[in-house]
Amino acid sequence: AQSVTQLGSHVSVSEGALVLLRCNYSSSVPPYLFWYVQYPNQGLQLLLKYTSAATLVKGINGFEAEFKKSETSFHLTKPSAHMSDAAEYFCAVSYGSARQLTFGSGTQLTVLP
Amino acid sequence: DGGITQSPKYLFRKEGQNVTLSCEQNLNHDAMYWYRQDPGQGLRLIYYSQIVNDFQKGDIAEGYSVSREKKESFPLTVTSAQKNPTAFYLCASTSGGWQNQPQHFGDGTRLSIL
Repeated sequence: AQSVTQLGSHVSVSEGALVLLRCNYSSSVPPYLFWYVQYPNQGLQLLLKYTSAATLVKGINGFEAEFKKSETSFHLTKPSAHMSDAAEYFCAVSYGSARQLTFGSGTQLTVLP
Repeated sequence: DGGITQSPKYLFRKEGQNVTLSCEQNLNHDAMYWYRQDPGQGLRLIYYSQIVNDFQKGDIAEGYSVSREKKESFPLTVTSAQKNPTAFYLCASTSGGWQNQPQHFGDGTRLSIL
């Protein structure tokens, strides 16, 4: 069975500081991993996906994530936070023939001026 | 522009009433999904469909029903058997093929009880 754990339901950073959002997965097969962002009362927007072509994945808006098989982690980072990054972030793993997604419980990112 | 359209954006249900949430996509995607989002719980899968006239239950299907009569449409009915329907409902779709294809999401419908 697949599962995803996001450590920290709320993370606060100052504008310009490093953003680090943690995601650990459990998968019995090579995982297909995704990070999504959600702004209030909106759907989810894809930030990046792990495709096994490279362990460091670059996404939109300056975000990137590193796949570490030994740690079963796929943490999301951004070198310098911007006020517009304030949102909820979800890590997800794909499984099954229908490519269902299992989501983590989400991390609400607050950016302080 | 291609995308997923969910309607209505806000919906209110009375006791004992069934309500239907609409989801339409013009991305020519084969697979469609319905998720329920509650605060602090992430998204949970209600139903999914890989092809027309076929669908499967997800993790929390009780109290919900779906149909897939057309490739572009996947409506969700919240029945009176769903005792706690207040939530944000998200529809998604993806193309066939590799498992690393991302799902694309609509903007959601927020359902509340009157």
